[in-house]
Amino acid sequence: DTGVSQNPRHKITKRGQNVTFRCDPISEHNRLYWYRQTLGQGPEFLTYFQNEAQLEKSRLLSDRFSAERPKGSFSTLEIQRTEQGDSAMYLCASSPHRLAGTDTQYFGPGTRLTVL
Amino acid sequence: GDSVTQMEGPVTLSEEAFLTINCTYTATGYPSLFWYVQYPGEGLQLLLKATKADDKGSNKGFEATYRKETTSFHLEKGSVQVSDSAVYFCALSDRMNYGGATNKLIFGTGTLLAVQP
Repeated sequence: DTGVSQNPRHKITKRGQNVTFRCDPISEHNRLYWYRQTLGQGPEFLTYFQNEAQLEKSRLLSDRFSAERPKGSFSTLEIQRTEQGDSAMYLCASSPHRLAGTDTQYFGPGTRLTVL
Repeated sequence: GDSVTQMEGPVTLSEEAFLTINCTYTATGYPSLFWYVQYPGEGLQLLLKATKADDKGSNKGFEATYRKETTSFHLEKGSVQVSDSAVYFCALSDRMNYGGATNKLIFGTGTLLAVQP
């Protein structure tokens, strides 16, 4: 049973550059979440997909951020024109269909972004 | 909006000591409650959960009881080990039987536990 995977694990970029992260959820999970975690804080919700539909976006997700899940499987999170304040750990989580009777989310290892 | 408050750390204990990490929540609905753990250099792992009032979640010797009357979900362990050293996060999510609920997690700020031999 493979868990949630995320790539890359680390990304260092210069301010103003664009970056893209990928998340591969557990295969039978139709719900996918992105969170952001800064040092010393708990994860904060960014956005939620049910299959390919993006159903909720946090106010934290500025216009520079975009997320997709084109075929309801893997998802990408893109940040355009990165700023130093974007430096954080970006976490992806997945959970089964609501009819599976559980709302537990399973987290990937995260992508650590450093903006210089 | 919904929120989670947990005790600040770090919490430093000797091996075999009793552990309590306090967690209280504010929610408009009937959330599920979770404890997640983050070991050094690793990702978030679910430790235990409870989905309704008076439920007790338990795993690896840790326990937490969903107390609706006090809006609390305190984490306890009778005898901690050095291997329990980690950051512990309390979290809530909307119950999934609400139509349209996304079940997004709202986390507390985390409590660092350091267990000394």
